[in-house]
Amino acid sequence: SAVISQKPSRDICQRGTSLTIQCQVDSQVTMMFWYRQQPGQSLTLIATANQGSEATYESGFVIDKFPISRPNLTFSTLTVSNMSPEDSSIYLCSVFQGGYQFFGPGTRLTVL
Amino acid sequence: DAKTTQPNSMESNEEEPVHLPCNHSTISGTDYIHWYRQLPSQGPEYVIHGLTSNVNNRMASLAIAEDRKSSTLILHRATLRDAAVYYCIPLYGGATNKLIFGTGTLLAVQP
Repeated sequence: SAVISQKPSRDICQRGTSLTIQCQVDSQVTMMFWYRQQPGQSLTLIATANQGSEATYESGFVIDKFPISRPNLTFSTLTVSNMSPEDSSIYLCSVFQGGYQFFGPGTRLTVL
Repeated sequence: DAKTTQPNSMESNEEEPVHLPCNHSTISGTDYIHWYRQLPSQGPEYVIHGLTSNVNNRMASLAIAEDRKSSTLILHRATLRDAAVYYCIPLYGGATNKLIFGTGTLLAVQP
C-alpha cells in the first residue's frame, strides 16, 4: 500500500495570499489526485495530476486558482491562489495503486 | 458518472452486524463498485470493491445485486472504531480511475 504525506498539516492564512501544499508518496505512481473537503461536506475532486502532462481540472476548478505541479512520479504540489475565506477546507491528495486509491492525511486550511 | 443513493445516516450497536445499502441504478457494465470510509479527522480509506460477484475481505463483505443496480456493504460485527462516513462509488475500470464522492452514510455505533 502507498504511504502518503502532506505538508503542511494545517495552516492559517490571510486573504489574498497563496499557499502551496506538498504531497509525497513512498512509491512511484502514475496518477495523483487532489480533492477539497469543505466543512461538513463530502470530498470534491479538484484535478488529476499525471507526470509529464498538464493537470486535468474538474468543472468549477481552474488552473489560475489551483495551479498544480507534478515534477516526478512521487511528488506533487497544489497551490491555492489569492485565497478567500471560502477556500477554508481540507485539501487531500490521493494516488491510484493496485486497483484502488490511497489518501493522504489532508491539509487543513483556514483563511481569515 | 453513475449516480449513487445512500441513506444519510444509520445507527448500529456494538458487536452487531451492519448492512449499509447503496443504489447505483445507472452503473455501466464496466464500473467496479468501490466502498471507502472516512473516520473522523482522517482521509478516506479503502474498504472493499467488486464487479459482479460477492466479495469478502478482512474488513467487510460486499453483496452485489444480480442486476448490479444496488449493493450492500456488510460489517459483520460493528466496533466503535467503525463509526465513520461510508461512501459507495462506482469506478470506471478504464483509464481515469478517479473517484467521485457522493454524500455517503454516516454510521454511528453505540456501545
